[in-house]
Amino acid sequence: DVKVTQSSRYLVKRTGEKVFLECVQDMDHENMFWYRQDPGLGLRLIYFSYDVKMKEKGDIPEGYSVSREKKERFSLILESASTNQTSMYLCASSLRGQPQHFGDGTRLSIL
Amino acid sequence: AQSVSQHNHHVILSEAASLELGCNYSYGGTVNLFWYVQYPGQHLQLLLKYFSGDPLVKGIKGFEAEFIKSKFSFNLRKPSVQWSDTAEYFCAGLKNRDDKIIFGKGTRLHILP
Repeated sequence: DVKVTQSSRYLVKRTGEKVFLECVQDMDHENMFWYRQDPGLGLRLIYFSYDVKMKEKGDIPEGYSVSREKKERFSLILESASTNQTSMYLCASSLRGQPQHFGDGTRLSIL
Repeated sequence: AQSVSQHNHHVILSEAASLELGCNYSYGGTVNLFWYVQYPGQHLQLLLKYFSGDPLVKGIKGFEAEFIKSKFSFNLRKPSVQWSDTAEYFCAGLKNRDDKIIFGKGTRLHILP
């Protein structure tokens, strides 16, 4: 079974900090994705990657960056955290043209 | 713009009631459609998927969905819901094998015991 592992279930950081969210998948999937999930807004795509060292902006990339140095790992970086980035962050992976598999999510609070 | 819309944000039903959650997509061409479910405190899981072939798709836990191309719809159904179906349900579309999935805003389903 596909396993997508996010490094933290809960995280509390302060405004202005640089925050790293890590995601690892164990099924050799080409594609990896970062979403944020907010009540009433559903899932919004932040960034995605089709291959190592490749990245594409999603619908709401402002304030975020990503890194994909290895195929199995996709990191989301909040360059300078702000309170409006308090949210649930979901990582997903997939094979080309196939449904995505999701991690458990990281609930991030920015104080 | 490409979009997936879900008609109901919040649905409350009693156990044994029949369920239908609406989903419409706004883009043409080849479409691949999904329903995901998120149980409280758990990760999103795939409920069912439509790629081609029989437009009536059966998924896990007794759910099914019907793809109606003329109506741009992919509604989720279950004949008799259980309390354990309480969850949030997301319709999603993957356009022309583009690996970006577009999600609807979700429907929160609450089943009364």
